[in-house]
Amino acid sequence: AQTVTQSQPEMSVQEAETVTLSCTYDTSENNYYLFWYKQPPSRQMILVIRQEAYKQQNATENRFSVNFQKAAKSFSLKISDSQLGDTAMYFCAYSTDSWGKLQFGAGTQVVVTP
Amino acid sequence: EPEVTQTPSHQVTQMGQEVILRCVPISNHLYFYWYRQILGQKVEFLVSFYNNEISEKSEIFDDQFSVERPDGSNFTLKIRSTKLEDSAMYFCASSEGPRDSPLHFGNGTRLTVT
Repeated sequence: AQTVTQSQPEMSVQEAETVTLSCTYDTSENNYYLFWYKQPPSRQMILVIRQEAYKQQNATENRFSVNFQKAAKSFSLKISDSQLGDTAMYFCAYSTDSWGKLQFGAGTQVVVTP
Repeated sequence: EPEVTQTPSHQVTQMGQEVILRCVPISNHLYFYWYRQILGQKVEFLVSFYNNEISEKSEIFDDQFSVERPDGSNFTLKIRSTKLEDSAMYFCASSEGPRDSPLHFGNGTRLTVT
């Protein structure tokens, strides 16, 4: 069974600094998809970034980038130039052939301080 | 930007009662999902729905649960006889397709069973 592990329950970062969130997963599949979702206090789950396992190039979306290490089954998220609005719970998620069936990690609470 | 809307935001019900959680997916989306998050635990997949039938369901989604698209806009989750352990945040999501289109989540309904 696939599992997704986020080992950091909470991370604090100062505004304009960089923070990296870790995520590891366990799978025997070769093709799969990885995601980072953000859940601000409004509770809505918002897709931050996604990575297809067959792509070697790390995905980037503005200030958000990932470090995808397939052999190590690691998928970390880097938030650069942190902003107060980045304060949220961040979930790592995994999916195989169906994008709708996601397996989530436990989440990391990111707190950005002035 | 179109959103997935869920009502109510908070539902309190007594054990053994039936409850219906409502969702209005994004209008051009064809795939619909329910997830739940018990307090302090991971977000868990419940069910996916396409073309007026369930396409996949998890072990959690037992006979007490059902989903329906009663008209062209609503997507509902019914719990027939609620149990204390059904207390959780329930998230509805929709997507244009099963692949290459991300899930759009609603803000969730907090269900409290007393």
